[in-house]
Amino acid sequence: SSELTQDPAVSVALGQTVRITCQGDSLRSYYASWYQQKPGQAPVLVIYGKNNRPSGIPDRFSGSSSGNTASLTITGAQAEDEADYYCNSRDSSGNHFVVFGGGTKLTVL
Amino acid sequence: EVQLVESGGGLVKPGGSLRLSCAASGFTFSSYSMNWVRQAPGKGLEWVSSISSSSSYIYYADSVKGRFTISRDNAKNSLYLQMNSLRAEDTAVYYCARRSGRELHEFDYWGQGTLVTVSS
Repeated sequence: SSELTQDPAVSVALGQTVRITCQGDSLRSYYASWYQQKPGQAPVLVIYGKNNRPSGIPDRFSGSSSGNTASLTITGAQAEDEADYYCNSRDSSGNHFVVFGGGTKLTVL
Repeated sequence: EVQLVESGGGLVKPGGSLRLSCAASGFTFSSYSMNWVRQAPGKGLEWVSSISSSSSYIYYADSVKGRFTISRDNAKNSLYLQMNSLRAEDTAVYYCARRSGRELHEFDYWGQGTLVTVSS
């Protein structure tokens, strides 16, 4: 199965822009989905497809993709954005598996 | 409002069995594929298994294949995970998650999870 690689931790100053990346071979074929998880809570889908936000997700969250890298960008990070962020994708080997990245801990300073 | 509520977690000895349930409400359960995703303490998310809306297609991660069985009862709006031959490394919070209906890996709703602890 394929793997997705994320930086373990990223920090951003309040109100600034931060990009969280996800790398993997499967991202050449499939868009990543992105999930936000706060301590003690279930993950929440924040970005899916090319760059789509579910209802209720602020428009400061956006997604992009290039080659084998998907990115989640938060423009004007807020204190409440401090959380773990996970990407996932479909496995590219054709076996209908789903793979998650290791997660990125975002700290808002 | 879409709701997914897991139950059935607990403490079990290595080699033991446990059956998790996920009660769904607020949407037409029989129209959606469902998944189990787990998270070991302090670790990341790991996909465990998926089942199509009519149970025709079932997939497992290599780490649980042959030990876990996913099933569903559309009449009861419920998803299940039968876990046998449990190991310490199966200790995790287990989430049920709904596939959005678009891509295989888009999970648009998640339950709050149920904790499974495998320990002697």
